[in-house]
Amino acid sequence: NAGVTQTPKFRILKIGQSMTLQCTQDMNHNYMYWYRQDPGMGLKLIYYSVGAGITDKGEVPNGYNVSRSTTEDFPLRLELAAPSQTSVYFCASRPGLKGFWDTQYFGPGTRLTVL
Amino acid sequence: GENVEQHPSTLSVQEGDSAVIKCTYSDSASNYFPWYKQELGKGPQLIIDIRSNVGEKKDQRIAVTLNKTAKHFSLHITETQPEDSAVYFCAATDSGYALNFGKGTSLLVTP
Repeated sequence: NAGVTQTPKFRILKIGQSMTLQCTQDMNHNYMYWYRQDPGMGLKLIYYSVGAGITDKGEVPNGYNVSRSTTEDFPLRLELAAPSQTSVYFCASRPGLKGFWDTQYFGPGTRLTVL
Repeated sequence: GENVEQHPSTLSVQEGDSAVIKCTYSDSASNYFPWYKQELGKGPQLIIDIRSNVGEKKDQRIAVTLNKTAKHFSLHITETQPEDSAVYFCAATDSGYALNFGKGTSLLVTP
């Protein structure tokens, strides 16, 4: 298993540009998450999904959109990039079968800079 | 919502010494407390977790303790090695949809 994969690893955007961060997991996990990590601030939840076709907002959803058309993929869309979106973005997944928290696996991250 | 405080923000120890990182949480309904290790340039990786029906859990050199009454939990690393150098995050959840993370502790183990 490759686990959770993210592309691209690095990206520089200009203000106002759009892009999609890709996330794929091959573990057949139900739950998927997007976090952003800013220096010294820990991980903040942007959006999450409990299964294909179901998504919901996390703590910091403004400026982002997501979709979940398949179990494997959970892309994150930035429509009008702003400097405040400069961050490292992590995708994560967990099985979500047992009704309580099981191990959450993280991808390697995407470092995004908006200039 | 849940608020997780983590201390210290940085910690430097000599190889072979012990390291302790402490976290407090605000929501008494929280019942799952994982610890993640993040190496430079990589995503966080789960190293140990504890549920609210357990007071202590060990895995080789790593242990976690939980005090539900005081709403705090701690990570203990014994016999530290240079490869333990990383950023460590605690988290808490009430078994809802999201983990609430602390801000992280940067641990440096010097030879």
